[in-house]
Amino acid sequence: NAGVMQNPRHLVRRRGQEARLRCSPMKGHSHVYWYRQLPEEGLKFMVYLQKENIIDESGMPKERFSAEFPKEGPSILRIQQVVRGDSAAYFCASSPNGAGTTNEQFFGPGTRLTVL
Amino acid sequence: AQSVSQHNHHVILSEAASLELGCNYSYGGTVNLFWYVQYPGQHLQLLLKYFSGDPLVKGIKGFEAEFIKSKFSFNLRKPSVQWSDTAEYFCAVSPGGSARQLTFGSGTQLTVLP
Repeated sequence: NAGVMQNPRHLVRRRGQEARLRCSPMKGHSHVYWYRQLPEEGLKFMVYLQKENIIDESGMPKERFSAEFPKEGPSILRIQQVVRGDSAAYFCASSPNGAGTTNEQFFGPGTRLTVL
Repeated sequence: AQSVSQHNHHVILSEAASLELGCNYSYGGTVNLFWYVQYPGQHLQLLLKYFSGDPLVKGIKGFEAEFIKSKFSFNLRKPSVQWSDTAEYFCAVSPGGSARQLTFGSGTQLTVLP
């Protein structure tokens, strides 16, 4: 059973370009979470999605960032007009059910975004 | 909003030494607590979790953690570390009742010397 998959693992963009990060949850998981880890900091929650729905985007920057989890295909985190401050590791996690007290989040290997 | 503090940024131990990593959280309600580990070049893996019941939680690889509600703490312990325990350790908390948004501490880098 494959784990959470993220691609690309490394992404280099110039300022002003767009970055698209993909996350395929574990089989049978319908809930996806995105986190960002800046250098020397812990992971910070960005957004929580179910298929075709954004459940909680309280951690998403108001501008340039968007996320989706379509009915078919991976979840996408999109960053428009990237700036140097967007350089970070972006982690995706999935869980089989967002509610309930026994579900844990399984993490992918992350995408390391570098903005030149 | 909840917050998590990990007091030690970098811990260096010799093999067979005992380990305790501190974790304190700030949140007014019921919480779920987690310790994750990230080995070099690998993704985050769950070490152990606490939802309810016995406050002493056993995890994988000989790790355990104790939830002390009065101190808002969830310290990680291991009686005898090995070189292979070298990794970064993250404490995390989520609101009770669901494992949704996780709030992470800044992490503790553990280096075990052979």
